[in-house]
Amino acid sequence: DAGVIQSPRHEVTEMGQEVTLRCKPISGHNSLFWYRQTMMRGLELLIYFNNNVPIDDSGMPEDRFSAKMPNASFSTLKIQPSEPRDSAVYFCASRGSGATEAFFGQGTRLTVV
Amino acid sequence: GENVEQHPSTLSVQEGDSAVIKCTYSDSASNYFPWYKQELGKGPQLIIDIRSNVGEKKDQRIAVTLNKTAKHFSLHITETQPEDSAVYFCAASRGDYKLSFGAGTTVTVRA
Repeated sequence: DAGVIQSPRHEVTEMGQEVTLRCKPISGHNSLFWYRQTMMRGLELLIYFNNNVPIDDSGMPEDRFSAKMPNASFSTLKIQPSEPRDSAVYFCASRGSGATEAFFGQGTRLTVV
Repeated sequence: GENVEQHPSTLSVQEGDSAVIKCTYSDSASNYFPWYKQELGKGPQLIIDIRSNVGEKKDQRIAVTLNKTAKHFSLHITETQPEDSAVYFCAASRGDYKLSFGAGTTVTVRA
């Protein structure tokens, strides 16, 4: 298995633009997590999906952030409009049914200028 | 919600010495405690985990201990090697729920 696949690996965008981050979880996994990592705040959970349904989105910073999981093999995290303070590394992780170990992707480094 | 505190934030050890990282958690219902290693430019990778029904677990040079009463757990790395240099994160969760991470410890192993 190729593991959790995220794209793009790096994204540089101008303030005000829309940004879409993509994630392909490990096949057969039914839980998906989006995390944000910054020096100041560490690893923060943004949203958690189970069987494609958002279970907990309390970590989503504000209405500019939205996440979808249209099917078991794809999820997106969208920021519109983007701001410089959104600059961070965004990780997607997935976990199998009944399992406890979460597998992380390589991350997307987002820079908003 | 769960609050996980991790100490120290940085740790420098001589190759061959041991490294110890400590974490505390706040939610007494947490029952799963993984440790992740993150190398530069990569995502966190699970290195060892422990569940609340176990007090200690070992895997070669790595061991984790859990004290449920005091709500703290620790990572021990023995005979450290240069490739152990990385950022280590502890985490806690209620089994199949979300993971709450500590702030991370940057470990540097000096040759």
